[in-house]
Amino acid sequence: GQQVMQIPQYQHVQEGEDFTTYCNSSTTLSNIQWYKQRPGGHPVFLIQLVKSGEVKKQKRLTFQFGEAKKNSSLHITATQTTDVGTYFCAGKGAQKLVFGQGTRLTINP
Amino acid sequence: EAGVAQSPRYKIIEKRQSVAFWCNPISGHATLYWYQQILGQGPKLLIQFQNNGVVDDSQLPKDRFSAERLKGVDSTLKIQPAKLEDSAVYLCASSPSGTGHQPQHFGDGTRLSIL
Repeated sequence: GQQVMQIPQYQHVQEGEDFTTYCNSSTTLSNIQWYKQRPGGHPVFLIQLVKSGEVKKQKRLTFQFGEAKKNSSLHITATQTTDVGTYFCAGKGAQKLVFGQGTRLTINP
Repeated sequence: EAGVAQSPRYKIIEKRQSVAFWCNPISGHATLYWYQQILGQGPKLLIQFQNNGVVDDSQLPKDRFSAERLKGVDSTLKIQPAKLEDSAVYLCASSPSGTGHQPQHFGDGTRLSIL
């Protein structure tokens, strides 16, 4: 079945440093969604990418969808303590939306 | 708009006991999902409802888990009997449709601990 892998599993950075998480699917995706889960909280939708090669920005966050629609990345510029949490990608293949295992971001102030 | 409501927030039971969780989705959302999130992992879909019909329950352990959404609005998920490996957060989510092209809105979840 469809698998969605994320790397790294954990990332610790100093406040102000950049952060990137990568998402790879075993199958071609029709779209990919990104969610953020704060410690003790629930996943909250951030963005959806649909088109091959698409790039979207939300303030300091940049999301990319690969040309082959099998991979995606989330880049945060100049991290802030409010960015702490786990970032999940979720890919939609032929059937259901499948979540990756997430990248947990911790920040040293 | 009101968000997805879940109850209880926490539940502690002994193995082999039964437990039930309740979810009320966002008003007007046709699709309801139940996910299991084990610590350190991503949400795993257990069952997806479209109105009151089941769309996908391929990963639901049907020998012990059951779910219903009788009137196409709120839903219950039951575990009977519980096993130690069922310790997890059970998340309910809803979306306007089940195409997978719309955001899913999650509730706060029920944290289940099995002793």
